[in-house]
Amino acid sequence: DAGVTQSPTHLIKTRGQQVTLRCSPKSGHDTVSWYQQALGQGPQFIFQYYEEEERQRGNFPDRFSGHQFPNYSSELNVNALLLGDSALYLCASSLAGPSGGEQYFGPGTRLTVT
Amino acid sequence: AQRVTQPEKLLSVFKGAPVELKCNYSYSGSPELFWYVQYSRQRLQLLLRHISRESIKGFTADLNKGETSFHLKKPFAQEEDSAMYYCALSGLEGANSKLTFGKGITLSVRP
Repeated sequence: DAGVTQSPTHLIKTRGQQVTLRCSPKSGHDTVSWYQQALGQGPQFIFQYYEEEERQRGNFPDRFSGHQFPNYSSELNVNALLLGDSALYLCASSLAGPSGGEQYFGPGTRLTVT
Repeated sequence: AQRVTQPEKLLSVFKGAPVELKCNYSYSGSPELFWYVQYSRQRLQLLLRHISRESIKGFTADLNKGETSFHLKKPFAQEEDSAMYYCALSGLEGANSKLTFGKGITLSVRP
């Protein structure tokens, strides 16, 4: 099991563009969470998907949207990119239920907005 | 609202010295506390969680609900402990499994 995988590894976009990041969860996991990690900060929760629906959302604008597919993989979409969206985007997978805080992280996608 | 505070950014100790990484939290429900670690060029990974009450790699952490703290301790630091450590919180209610992280602390263990 490769664990949680994310693609692409790095991405450079221009302000105003749109971006899609992808995540495949660890085998057996059904829940995917996305986090944004700015330089020198801890990861910040964006949203969580379970059963193809957004279950929880953090304090992020509607420009951030996502999707979960029947095979539990997930996408994070960001529209109208701002310079401040430059960050490391982490995907984490887990099992629904009381152990949901035990999350397995991917290596991240480094997004640079110029 | 849920919040995690790690008051220090860097802790530098010599090999064999004791280590205590501080973490305080704020949460109105029943919290579950975690320590996650990121070694150089590796992904973020779970170190330990308060529910399991385990000692992992010699590290322990006790949840103190009175002081709302979950400090990470190790009696004798090793060079391989050098890493970034994040304290994190989620809810035990089941529906709230989002993780709220502190800003993290860099532990540097010198030979």
